[in-house]
Amino acid sequence: SQQGEEDPQALSIQEGENATMNCSYKTSINNLQWYRQNSGRGLVHLILIRSNEREKHSGRLRVTLDTSKKSSSLLITASRAADTASYFCATDRSSWGKLQFGAGTQVVVTP
Amino acid sequence: GAVVSQHPSWVICKSGTSVKIECRSLDFQATTMFWYRQFPKQSLMLMATSNEGSKATYEQGVEKDKFLINHASLTLSTLTVTSAHPEDSSFYICSARDSTSGGFQETQYFGPGTRLLVL
Repeated sequence: SQQGEEDPQALSIQEGENATMNCSYKTSINNLQWYRQNSGRGLVHLILIRSNEREKHSGRLRVTLDTSKKSSSLLITASRAADTASYFCATDRSSWGKLQFGAGTQVVVTP
Repeated sequence: GAVVSQHPSWVICKSGTSVKIECRSLDFQATTMFWYRQFPKQSLMLMATSNEGSKATYEQGVEKDKFLINHASLTLSTLTVTSAHPEDSSFYICSARDSTSGGFQETQYFGPGTRLLVL
């Protein structure tokens, strides 16, 4: 079963705008990870944030984690057409690596 | 960077046949690999955890006799869909954790996926 929900389900923005998507989960976690998936392809790891961390940055990506609310957000700044993809959050509850994925947010960035 | 490959990338088969999908870690050792299934426009669902040298651990609702997993080496796990039926048509993705140094790195590396179509 899926661990949590993501919203929005779909997001359409123009190049240069910021894109924010949220992920909520149900149980305590060891870490939370964000992945990108281009249509019909495998997943690309973006960022991992541990349960004792509150914010992480990687290039144009910013991830926050609020364990009290059991939620995380992914911000993509200055979006580009190449950012068009589906974005998934995944929680690792046990540190064994068994990931439970959210439903995903489909992002379309138009030039 | 760490690379995971899958073979084949796509396969079409007749109902009732068996299909084997390979997942390889190309430049690292992976004592643990994971198999996921993804239906169109849906998220990834974990099917099983593949452990090198031991039996796989299946998630609730996944038939172990239907989806045979073998993890015979530190770099290869195989998933065999036995007696495939049209409802098994899906996108199968594997992932692996780097255990080369003895422990586990947290980051998982995903293969490019195998698209299975059962006619």
